[in-house]
Amino acid sequence: KAGVTQTPRYLIKTRGQQVTLSCSPISGHRSVSWYQQTPGQGLQFLFEYFSETQRNKGNFPGRFSGRQFSNSRSEMNVSTLELGDSALYLCASSFLGTGQETQYFGPGTRLLVL
Amino acid sequence: AQSVSQHNHHVILSEAASLELGCNYSYGGTVNLFWYVQYPGQHLQLLLKYFSGDPLVKGIKGFEAEFIKSKFSFNLRKPSVQWSDTAEYFCAVINTGGFKTIFGAGTRLFVKA
Repeated sequence: KAGVTQTPRYLIKTRGQQVTLSCSPISGHRSVSWYQQTPGQGLQFLFEYFSETQRNKGNFPGRFSGRQFSNSRSEMNVSTLELGDSALYLCASSFLGTGQETQYFGPGTRLLVL
Repeated sequence: AQSVSQHNHHVILSEAASLELGCNYSYGGTVNLFWYVQYPGQHLQLLLKYFSGDPLVKGIKGFEAEFIKSKFSFNLRKPSVQWSDTAEYFCAVINTGGFKTIFGAGTRLFVKA
């Protein structure tokens, strides 16, 4: 069974631009969570989607948004990029997203904002 | 607000030394606890998890963790580390029904051969 895939793997943008990242979960998984990973901060929760609905979100500004499609694929968008948005963005999937399930992580998209 | 605190950001050990990584969380309700590991160049993967029952849980590669509810702790242990255990370790907490996992800042472990 294929794992979680994320595209693109690397991205360089300039301040003020916007970016869209994509995540394809493991087949059959309906819950997708997004995290921002930076050195010293660990993983910070961005949002979680299930059946095209956002069920929870972290403490990030409105520039960070996401969506999920009917096939469970998910995208996240960051508008008006800032230097501090440079990070590794991770996507994780699970069947139902309940607290007792293992999350399976993708390789991440490394975003560099210049 | 929920938070997870990992006591050590960097740990350096020699092979065969014992390991204990601290993790404390703040949340008063029912929680599920995880340790994830990220080996160099690899994806984050589950090391072990605790939902209920025996507070001492065993994971892959000889790792174990003990849940102490009164101390809000979930420390990771391994009696004898190997060079291949060099990785970054993350403690994570999710409250039942919350759909939001909170991770600690991570502990980088370097094991000297």
